Amino acid sequence: EPEVTQTPSHQVTQMGQEVILRCVPISNHLYFYWYRQILGQKVEFLVSFYNNEISEKSEIFDDQFSVERPDGSNFTLKIRSTKLEDSAMYFCASSSVGPNTEAFFGQGTRLTVV
Amino acid sequence: AQSVTQPDIHITVSEGASLELRCNYSYGATPYLFWYVQSPGQGLQLLLKYFSGDTLVQGIKGFEAEFKRSQSSFNLRKPSVHWSDAAEYFCAVGGYNNDMRFGAGTRLTVKP
Repeated sequence: EPEVTQTPSHQVTQMGQEVILRCVPISNHLYFYWYRQILGQKVEFLVSFYNNEISEKSEIFDDQFSVERPDGSNFTLKIRSTKLEDSAMYFCASSSVGPNTEAFFGQGTRLTVV
Repeated sequence: AQSVTQPDIHITVSEGASLELRCNYSYGATPYLFWYVQSPGQGLQLLLKYFSGDTLVQGIKGFEAEFKRSQSSFNLRKPSVHWSDAAEYFCAVGGYNNDMRFGAGTRLTVKP
């Protein structure tokens, strides 16, 4: 069964460092998403991406965040200068054919900023 | 933008008892509604979804949910809970802009 894969599963970084979280969406999907879940809290939408550009982003997705699809298979989230409050689980998701179809989620990357 | 409210932060039920998890949404158009389950340390698994048609939808693991437009609700139910159902449950509403908004989640504890 096709699945969304995320690497690494856990990343520890020092405050102020840049991190890149990687995702391989399901191969025939066209929409890609990043969500964040701070420990013990709800899942928060960060950004959606379609046709090589951001289609929607939340207020959380400020200038320190960027997304990219560098090749035909990867979808990355970059955090330029990490802060302690960026510590969270980051989930990548993808969906097919159009909006409002179900999103399939990866297992997440746990980011710890120290 | 769309939003979701899950009024119950934590629910405890006995194994074998019935379960209902509440979800209320706010959205100006026809909503697209989802329930996801998250086991500790795991990702999100889709239980069921509603896009249109029959307002009672069946999902995996014996779950069902009923869309009630008049109440702006999409409550999740299961007639008999198993210990393995203990997890965090998230209701979500999808909008036209390819984004989903999640509720705060309801943690389900199952007593033996």
